[in-house]
Amino acid sequence: DAKTTQPTSMDCAEGRAANLPCNHSTISGNEYVYWYRQIHSQGPQYIIHGLKNNETNEMASLIITEDRKSSTLILPHATLRDTAVYYCIALNAGGTSYGKLTFGQGTILTVHP
Amino acid sequence: DTAVSQTPKYLVTQMGNDKSIKCEQNLGHDTMYWYKQDSKKFLKIMFSYNNKELIINETVPNRFSPKSPDKAHLNLHINSLELGDSAVYFCASLRGREAFFGQGTRLTVV
Repeated sequence: DAKTTQPTSMDCAEGRAANLPCNHSTISGNEYVYWYRQIHSQGPQYIIHGLKNNETNEMASLIITEDRKSSTLILPHATLRDTAVYYCIALNAGGTSYGKLTFGQGTILTVHP
Repeated sequence: DTAVSQTPKYLVTQMGNDKSIKCEQNLGHDTMYWYKQDSKKFLKIMFSYNNKELIINETVPNRFSPKSPDKAHLNLHINSLELGDSAVYFCASLRGREAFFGQGTRLTVV
């Protein structure tokens, strides 16, 4: 699976949009971009994933550049409960990967009042 | 209802002991995992089972033995516990492309 690079930490004001970038310049054509987050003392939580097109669900939006070398996770109205470590993962969801997630260091997002 | 549940939540034990962590998922998923999160917060996969069969073993010491009595359960047995085994262990199950994680078991070896 391709390596991803994320900033170590970011801050965001409550109620504002949080934009979390991720670089995955070596991503291959059949690798998806996944985002998970881990709130303190809890298990990781799935947020969203995408291949080429932008995606949106009730939690977030995922914007993937046309060349697929980077993406941005957007939390449109961040709340204090969104404070967590956010992980961007490139994953070949088929074949023999069996959904194996390779977590990096992630981005520590702190939402402040 | 908890989708992926682990017991116990906390486990403190002495070096050399043998212990087990249990995991159950009520989601009907075929694939389950064990991940380890060390003191530096790195999450690493240990094992994966699909329909009770081992499919991923990430060079984990053979003191760690996963057991899947049925596809809803994936237990982790650890023999001869060492200080370095202290970590948070997460169980997870997979639906399509989305993994569901348990709340973790914090293992402390003293």
